[in-house]
Amino acid sequence: AQKVTQAQTEISVVEKEDVTLDCVYETRDTTYYLFWYKQPPSGELVFLIRRNSFDEQNEISGRYSWNFQKSTSSFNFTITASQVVDSAVYFCALSEARAYSGGGADGLTFGKGTHLIIQP
Amino acid sequence: DSGVTQTPKHLITATGQRVTLRCSPRSGDLSVYWYQQSLDQGLQFLIQYYNGEERAKGNILERFSAQQFPDLHSELNLSSLELGDSALYFCASSPLVGAPLTGELFFGEGSRLTVL
Repeated sequence: AQKVTQAQTEISVVEKEDVTLDCVYETRDTTYYLFWYKQPPSGELVFLIRRNSFDEQNEISGRYSWNFQKSTSSFNFTITASQVVDSAVYFCALSEARAYSGGGADGLTFGKGTHLIIQP
Repeated sequence: DSGVTQTPKHLITATGQRVTLRCSPRSGDLSVYWYQQSLDQGLQFLIQYYNGEERAKGNILERFSAQQFPDLHSELNLSSLELGDSALYFCASSPLVGAPLTGELFFGEGSRLTVL
């Protein structure tokens, strides 16, 4: 079963619209961390946010906000008043205890990403 | 700038060949990860090293191998290359070890491999 699901493969909106990127995760662990990364057209992966499983407070950073809901195993990302520079692929990722991470890695399990296109 | 350096940035080679990708982690980071990003598979974890020792393996093919040297840089060796190996290969580093990972991974800019 996929551990991190980003059901939206591609989203296209017009500049200044608000847009929400969905992320649903699966884990049996009680302590885990969730991440969002941005991959602009230049290709590098840029860290956006980290959230631990015990902190369900929503977070806002400028035009970005994140809604973490354990009850629905979701960690959604909203961009308010989108701009062309927000165009990128956005990845949601999960870090859990090694017993639950399948490959035993300490690292991150990524979703397949959502390609966000902001049209001028 | 994440502080993680990967070389080469681009590489074009032919099927059956062997290539080596190099990664220098952030200063002080002991943990190095390799990921493969392809269009159909997304970001796949390949292998992790910590302070010179292999710590975890993911979906790494037998044709691929890696190592981490005493100076902590890492190399990913890809041999008997096939068309399907064309991908963006990322290296990431972290000062932390243990799961769950409580801090972010710092990614390099990637090495884009094209196999013709």
